[in-house]
Amino acid sequence: DTAVSQTPKYLVTQMGNDKSIKCEQNLGHDTMYWYKQDSKKFLKIMFSYNNKELIINETVPNRFSPKSPDKAHLNLHINSLELGDSAVYFCASSRDYANTGELFFGEGSRLTVL
Amino acid sequence: DQQVKQNSPSLSVQEGRISILNCDYTNSMFDYFLWYKKYPAEGPTFLISISSIKDKNEDGRFTVFLNKSAKHLSLHIVPSQPGDSAVYFCAASAIRGNKLVFGAGTILRVKS
Repeated sequence: DTAVSQTPKYLVTQMGNDKSIKCEQNLGHDTMYWYKQDSKKFLKIMFSYNNKELIINETVPNRFSPKSPDKAHLNLHINSLELGDSAVYFCASSRDYANTGELFFGEGSRLTVL
Repeated sequence: DQQVKQNSPSLSVQEGRISILNCDYTNSMFDYFLWYKKYPAEGPTFLISISSIKDKNEDGRFTVFLNKSAKHLSLHIVPSQPGDSAVYFCAASAIRGNKLVFGAGTILRVKS
């Protein structure tokens, strides 16, 4: 029973398209995140939601829009995809906002923009 | 601006020997440090952590050492096992919030 699950795992699309990645956690955690792993392998935080409220919004183009319908779900929608958006996107969750960093990650969604 | 640096992209160790993975950080506001392990096609999994009030934390075969004055931490794995072969990420966060900053990772290969 996967704790943090993301769909799809692989996504290949053309520049200019709009796509979404979904994430669900069944751990009962209050806080969820999106991280991006770029070609240099760094994992960088994009967004964090605590109980459906946005608490961290890094310098991310506004083509990226997260949505949290409830605290168990955090979806990522990307408009007008660009080549530089190609990366692996990881969803994660933690017990709460004050948690000292122990995150539970999903398996990642590899996005390739052609 | 890399606040967390793992300068060794890869490390190869013989089974049974010690693996030492290193990490340096630049932000003096960081006060909590973690190591994550990642297998191919999986997400990172939490391995061990250390607070800045400590200089050592041990969990079975894994020990993390923190040298605050040098802004350096290391992960020791003793004895190393082939199943330890993975990418190891160092991460850090400041006292407030949990915006983890990750290094680029070190690939560990344990040879049997």
